[in-house]
Amino acid sequence: GAVVSQHPSRVICKSGTSVKIECRSLDFQATTMFWYRQFPKQSLMLMATSNEGSKATYEQGVEKDKFLINHASLTLSTLTVTSAHPEDSSFYICSATGPGVYEQYFGPGTRLTVT
Amino acid sequence: AQKITQTQPGMFVQEKEAVTLDCTYDTSDQSYGLFWYKQPSSGEMIFLIYQGSYDEQNATEGRYSLNFQKARKSANLVISASQLGDSAMYFCAMREGLNTGNQFYFGTGTSLTVIP
Repeated sequence: GAVVSQHPSRVICKSGTSVKIECRSLDFQATTMFWYRQFPKQSLMLMATSNEGSKATYEQGVEKDKFLINHASLTLSTLTVTSAHPEDSSFYICSATGPGVYEQYFGPGTRLTVT
Repeated sequence: AQKITQTQPGMFVQEKEAVTLDCTYDTSDQSYGLFWYKQPSSGEMIFLIYQGSYDEQNATEGRYSLNFQKARKSANLVISASQLGDSAMYFCAMREGLNTGNQFYFGTGTSLTVIP
């Protein structure tokens, strides 16, 4: 099956700094990528949908100035958590889909800890 | 109303037995897709099985089968011959419409524990 990589897998940052998470589709053109956030023992919460070359569409309640999403190519989307706070600590997962792909392929996730 | 409902927060099954994980969905679209994903403790989301709304046959993938009852709007996952490695969270999801760029709606998940 298709592979989606996500980097870094774990990151610890200080409060007030920014951190960037990369999501790459390795073997297909990801025209759409999704970013999720997951709290322990809970379901995935969709943060935003990004289509290649377009601005991301954010879900209600997600601050677009805090969670910057860029999807500049068919293989790469990035999520930047700006001015991170401890409450931003969470598991962030990206997924990708594209033409002829009926499922979403998920990255392995990034565990963010803000101290 | 919730798009996807999973009513079993936790389930236990004896190794080598079969188990059914429940999922009901709510949509007014005629075209939709139903998915099951497995999430072990490592956090990765592993695709298990897919059922399209127009598929007349229940989907099967190895030990996984999807019991699709359209009139009842249910899409239960059946795992046969459970193995210890099946212990994980299981999420049911739905995509409405035919556009693969449409979002998934996820259920709250079921935690499955396989007992030796």
